[in-house]
Amino acid sequence: EDKVVQSPLSLVVHEGDTVTLNCSYEVTNFRSLLWYKQEKKAPTFLFMLTSSGIEKKSGRLSSILDKKELFSILNITATQTGDSAIYLCAVEPLQGAQKLVFGQGTRLTINP
Amino acid sequence: NAGVTQTPKFQVLKTGQSMTLQCAQDMNHNSMYWYRQDPGMGLRLIYYSASEGTTDKGEVPNGYNVSRLNKREFSLRLESAAPSQTSVYFCASSVGVWSRGMNTEAFFGQGTRLTVV
Repeated sequence: EDKVVQSPLSLVVHEGDTVTLNCSYEVTNFRSLLWYKQEKKAPTFLFMLTSSGIEKKSGRLSSILDKKELFSILNITATQTGDSAIYLCAVEPLQGAQKLVFGQGTRLTINP
Repeated sequence: NAGVTQTPKFQVLKTGQSMTLQCAQDMNHNSMYWYRQDPGMGLRLIYYSASEGTTDKGEVPNGYNVSRLNKREFSLRLESAAPSQTSVYFCASSVGVWSRGMNTEAFFGQGTRLTVV
């Protein structure tokens, strides 16, 4: 059974801190790993990772994938209160449709 | 620029009642999905439609049915609602054809908060 585990489940930090969110997976025939940010409503897409060791970056957010050790990390530097959200990791197995297997999510709270 | 539109946004049902959640996308996507989100459990796939005319069960299909009405629309039906179906439901869509180097991520609707009492 395909499985995605995120850690920590909850994290509270002060504005300006750097955070690292973790995602490990067990998936038969891996295709890609995706990170989403969920504030009040719909998850919004952050990154898609398919290759090991290649960092994807968008502003203060960056992510990298290790296909040998089966994990990914999402880094957020110089955090702001607007970064407070649930961060979801999902893995796409190599199947016909792009079904996603989600982790439980990490609830990140940034205090001013 | 609507993206994925779900209706209704909120619903309260009594046990045993039926209802249909509607979803439409305007991105010409091939694949559509229904997920439910419960506290501490992430999103779990209920049903999906890889392309128009096909539907398949996901991880938690019991108690639900779906219809891919056309390429744009994918509905989720609860025939006899149960309190265990209290959840937030998300519809999503994606291109459905994977291509190396292409971002083929799923786009989500705003969710339907369903309470079954």
